[in-house]
Amino acid sequence: NAGVTQTPKFRILKIGQSMTLQCAQDMNHNYMYWYRQDPGMGLKLIYYSVGAGITDKGEVPNGYNVSRSTTEDFPLRLELAAPSQTSVYFCASSYSSVNTIYFGEGSWLTVV
Amino acid sequence: RKEVEQDPGPFNVPEGATVAFNCTYSNSASQSFFWYRQDCRKEPKLLMSVYSSGNEDGRFTAQLNRASQYISLLIRDSKLSDSATYLCVVNSGYALNFGKGTSLLVTP
Repeated sequence: NAGVTQTPKFRILKIGQSMTLQCAQDMNHNYMYWYRQDPGMGLKLIYYSVGAGITDKGEVPNGYNVSRSTTEDFPLRLELAAPSQTSVYFCASSYSSVNTIYFGEGSWLTVV
Repeated sequence: RKEVEQDPGPFNVPEGATVAFNCTYSNSASQSFFWYRQDCRKEPKLLMSVYSSGNEDGRFTAQLNRASQYISLLIRDSKLSDSATYLCVVNSGYALNFGKGTSLLVTP
């Protein structure tokens, strides 16, 4: 049972570098999400997608970009990494906006 | 007012105690309600959905009060393994909104 798979699990970036966090789900879910969670804080929605080819901004989209070319994949791109982007990133998916949401194991990102 | 608000705790309780968490939400049009559990440095996982009539799953009971826009979670006979952060989750249009969580520590 793969569910939601995120890679990499850990990454250290230098300020100004770029990278892509990969996310894939095998549950044929329409909805996919990217959240970030800072230490001791709640989850904040970065971007979401309601289906292939459709993406939209969440609460904290600045500094990030996403694409959804297939139902399965929802990569998150960080351009010009900044220390404020040091966080844990969770990808998640659900069948719809009212159904249970399933999370990947998280990607720990440090920008130095 | 934040979409979902919870008492952050921490709640420190002895094994065997009963503990209750509360949560309020701001969007009266919300349709789906959940409690998630998050262990330290782990992803959130579904604990239980919350239904209008209230529902129970073993030692856990969830209640919803739509009029007051209030959700609760009751844990009976607390176990050491219940120590975690409990997240109140409410849908709002396109996505789910998560509370900041309530921290529970069950001690021997």
